[in-house]
Amino acid sequence: EAGVAQSPRYKIIEKRQSVAFWCNPISGHATLYWYQQILGQGPKLLIQFQNNGVVDDSQLPKDRFSAERLKGVDSTLKIQPAKLEDSAVYLCASSGPSNTEAFFGQGTRLTVV
Amino acid sequence: AQSVTQPDIHITVSEGASLELRCNYSYGATPYLFWYVQSPGQGLQLLLKYFSGDTLVQGIKGFEAEFKRSQSSFNLRKPSVHWSDAAEYFCAVGLAGDKLTFGGGTRVLVKP
Repeated sequence: EAGVAQSPRYKIIEKRQSVAFWCNPISGHATLYWYQQILGQGPKLLIQFQNNGVVDDSQLPKDRFSAERLKGVDSTLKIQPAKLEDSAVYLCASSGPSNTEAFFGQGTRLTVV
Repeated sequence: AQSVTQPDIHITVSEGASLELRCNYSYGATPYLFWYVQSPGQGLQLLLKYFSGDTLVQGIKGFEAEFKRSQSSFNLRKPSVHWSDAAEYFCAVGLAGDKLTFGGGTRVLVKP
């Protein structure tokens, strides 16, 4: 069974530029999560999708972050414009029908300079 | 509000020695409890999980964890540490189908 796929693995951008991350969850998983992990901290949820609907985006900085999951499968997370404090690892996770476990991708490490 | 506390930021242990990582949580109900491990540059790998039943849970790589409701704790243990266990360990809590709330992590260093 293929795992959660994320790309790119690494990205370096200048502040005020825009960036997008892509995630393809495990096939058949309806729930998709984006987490932000700042260096030295645990991951924090940015947004949770159930199919193509948003379940929780209360911690998403909506003035600069956006996310979509148009067909209820893969998802993109965008930052525009980026700030220095957005430097972090962005982790995508998905969970299946039993919803008892989330499977994580390898993450995208973003550095904003 | 939910919160997870991992009191130890770093732990150094000799190879072959035992390891215990502490986790305390605050939650409205008894949540599902998880331990994840993260190696450098990698995503999170699930070590074990507790939903209900036997409070001593066995996981992968020789790890186990014990749920203590009275102490709101879910401590992770391994009897004999291998050099490959050097990584960061995260305790997390959540409900079925809901987001996970993570602790700040404990970095484990293994001395030869």
